[in-house]
Amino acid sequence: KNQVEQSPQSLIILEGKNCTLQCNYTVSPFSNLRWYKQDTGRGPVSLTIMTFSENTKSNGRYTATLDADTKQSSLHITASQLSDSASYICVVSAKKGTGANNLFFGTGTRLTVIP
Amino acid sequence: NAGVMQNPRHLVRRRGQEARLRCSPMKGHSHVYWYRQLPEEGLKFMVYLQKENIIDESGMPKERFSAEFPKEGPSILRIQQVVRGDSAAYFCASSPSSGGTGELFFGEGSRLTVL
Repeated sequence: KNQVEQSPQSLIILEGKNCTLQCNYTVSPFSNLRWYKQDTGRGPVSLTIMTFSENTKSNGRYTATLDADTKQSSLHITASQLSDSASYICVVSAKKGTGANNLFFGTGTRLTVIP
Repeated sequence: NAGVMQNPRHLVRRRGQEARLRCSPMKGHSHVYWYRQLPEEGLKFMVYLQKENIIDESGMPKERFSAEFPKEGPSILRIQQVVRGDSAAYFCASSPSSGGTGELFFGEGSRLTVL
């Protein structure tokens, strides 16, 4: 069964600290993995995409990793800011099937950054 | 280039009434997805449409819910005879091609409250 599990479910950190969010998946055949950021009351916005051959990709203070062998990804946030408070959603794409939705969503990690 | 536009942003209905949620995808996008999000929960896939076609409605409740994406005009998610359990945020996303390799662009959501 294609599933995406994220941990922790929620996280509270002090401003300026680093944190790492985890995403484990069983989606097969794998196409790519995206991390989205969803601010409260807003729609999700893509942060980064990881394909099979990529191990690490950075977008400012966000660094995503992918281990396709163990089917794990992480999102590391450096020097957190109050504006990083949001839900972070891991979305894994299976290789396109015939006419079917092939996107699998994690339930997200709710990050709260406190002053 | 305007983003994905959803309206209304907030909708209040009494039990038994109908709710219509509209989604205009980004210009040039022909693929539309609808997701439901309950408070403190993740996004749940409902339906995937292309122009004039429902591609995958496996996440849609069998009764009372319907979706369309006509040749002209926005995609519509219709909920008939609403019940309290339908209260949720409904997000629409669009992509220029099937979402397996491309990024999904989300609207800001429509928040339905059923009294």
